[in-house]
Amino acid sequence: DIQMTQSPSTLSASVGDRVTITCRASQSIRLWLAWYQQKPGKAPNLLIYKASSLESGVPSRFSGSGSGTEFTLTISSLQPDDFATYYCQQYNNYWTFGQGTKVEIK
Amino acid sequence: EVQLVESGGGLVQPGGSLRLSCAASGFTFSKYWMSWVRQAPGKGLECVATMNQDGSERHYVDSVKGRFTISRDNAKNSLYLQMNDLRAEDTAVYYCARVDDYGHFDYWGQGTLVTVSS
Repeated sequence: DIQMTQSPSTLSASVGDRVTITCRASQSIRLWLAWYQQKPGKAPNLLIYKASSLESGVPSRFSGSGSGTEFTLTISSLQPDDFATYYCQQYNNYWTFGQGTKVEIK
Repeated sequence: EVQLVESGGGLVQPGGSLRLSCAASGFTFSKYWMSWVRQAPGKGLECVATMNQDGSERHYVDSVKGRFTISRDNAKNSLYLQMNDLRAEDTAVYYCARVDDYGHFDYWGQGTLVTVSS
């Protein structure tokens, strides 16, 4: 099974900050990685797929990069609506999520 | 507009059974893989079961193999999860999700809560 490890688990930041979240796979997943945002009591929402493709309707301040085993999600300028938990997911070999990164207000 | 609406959650005793349903609309259901994802209280996401368009491929996380069965009725645009021998650790919100052609999950339902407790 492919394991996904996100870091950090929690991130404290301020509005306007540049934020980066890392996701590492236990083996190569090529480009088959997605990022989701989840707010309390809501279903996850797709942000990025195939490592760097922005889902329709998602603000351009979100971007993804990486390949193989190391990936990043970057929020270029954190907005109030972005305080949430973020999950990566591999789909190279079945489906596995990272443990999540909570972005909270500093 | 794509919509996924789960139902069937509730309180069940350990060892009991429950059947979840997901009603799909707004897209050609029979053309997509579908999945069930769960989230235990305060925890992360776990893909529980996924199946292809005609049911010839089904994948389960190890912790539910032999206890849960994913199925679908393309004529009724519906996805199901039969859960047997339920355990306390199965307590979670269960989401239905559509699998995009690339493999990621592009649409999710609002979730249904399953509580396993005596």
